[in-house]
Amino acid sequence: NAGVTQTPKFRVLKTGQSMTLLCAQDMNHEYMYWYRQDPGMGLRLIHYSVGEGTTAKGEVPDGYNVSRLKKQNFLLGLESAAPSQTSVYFCASSYRDYNTDTQYFGPGTRLTVL
Amino acid sequence: DAKTTQPPSMDCAEGRAANLPCNHSTISGNEYVYWYRQIHSQGPQYIIHGLKNNETNEMASLIITEDRKSSTLILPHATLRDTAVYYCIVRVAATSGTYKYIFGTGTRLKVLA
Repeated sequence: NAGVTQTPKFRVLKTGQSMTLLCAQDMNHEYMYWYRQDPGMGLRLIHYSVGEGTTAKGEVPDGYNVSRLKKQNFLLGLESAAPSQTSVYFCASSYRDYNTDTQYFGPGTRLTVL
Repeated sequence: DAKTTQPPSMDCAEGRAANLPCNHSTISGNEYVYWYRQIHSQGPQYIIHGLKNNETNEMASLIITEDRKSSTLILPHATLRDTAVYYCIVRVAATSGTYKYIFGTGTRLKVLA
């Protein structure tokens, strides 16, 4: 099993450009999440999904959109990138279980917006 | 949302136990405490979690106070590879029947040879 994978690993954008980050998991998890991590800070939840075709907003959703067309994939889109979106983005997935919904994280995507 | 407070950094001698404290004084009765660590800039790695009782697994032990307002993660025999940022996280209810993690700023643990 590859676990959670993220594409790309690095990306540099100019202000106003758009891009899509791809997260894939092969653990048949129902739940998937997108976080961002800024220097010296913990992770903050952007959007999440409880199943195919469903998404919900997290703590910092502005400027991002997401889609979950297939259970194993969760896409994060930036329609018009801004320098404030320079960050490391992590995807995670978990089972639907009240007692043990441990989240498994991907390796991250480092995004720089100039 | 419940939040956590951790010391920003700690040192520990190799082979000794590392005790990492966490304060979560506003935690609610059904909110779990999770611990993850992040080595360099890799994705966070799960360590352990608990609700009320103390927990132990192959990586660590989790001690939760009776009032649940604080907890301690114990790495029994720290090695150099345990050098990382350790996050104490409270899992809170979100919409859509799921849960979300509230991360703090973590404790940077440095294990010294």
